[in-house]
Amino acid sequence: NAGVTQTPKFQVLKTGQSMTLQCAQDMNHEYMSWYRQDPGMGLRLIHYSVGAGITDQGEVPNGYNVSRSTTEDFPLRLLSAAPSQTSVYFCASSYSTGVNTEAFFGQGTRLTVV
Amino acid sequence: SQQGEEDPQALSIQEGENATMNCSYKTSINNLQWYRQNSGRGLVHLILIRSNEREKHSGRLRVTLDTSKKSSSLLITASRAADTASYFCAHPGSGNTPLVFGKGTRLSVIA
Repeated sequence: NAGVTQTPKFQVLKTGQSMTLQCAQDMNHEYMSWYRQDPGMGLRLIHYSVGAGITDQGEVPNGYNVSRSTTEDFPLRLLSAAPSQTSVYFCASSYSTGVNTEAFFGQGTRLTVV
Repeated sequence: SQQGEEDPQALSIQEGENATMNCSYKTSINNLQWYRQNSGRGLVHLILIRSNEREKHSGRLRVTLDTSKKSSSLLITASRAADTASYFCAHPGSGNTPLVFGKGTRLSVIA
């Protein structure tokens, strides 16, 4: 039972490069989200999806794109990396955002932009 | 921002002592959840309390919720060195959006 799988675990990018952070879940969850975690800031929502073909912006969406072509996968794309995007990125999934729903998290991707 | 706050930001206790962490939030909620994050790892769900519940227990964890004060507390009894981690409260965002997290409490349990 893999749960939520994120790849890569670590990545170093140069300013201006692009890359895709992968996220896959095997729990048939409709809801998937991307967060970034910075020291002293907690987790902040970047983008989320309530099902295949549907995405929406969170609190800090600028500089990131997402798509949801399947229930299982929710990749996060950095279009032109900037040092301000240095962070730890977490993908999460849940059955819904309703009353009795917990979120399951991946192990994170630590990204450094130089 | 809907982001709430945990208090204290950091807490250091001896093994065997109880640890209490507090969380304040800003909006009306239908549930509040607590998560643990070990260093360098993802978040793990601990416990969920619904808005119509005032207290909930799970093993050594006790959570309270006061919706009139928009606050919650997490009590870990008889703490162990393995409880050393960061603890976050979270609740569904407005308009059925994903979880909004507080900034967390760093707990250190000294053996």
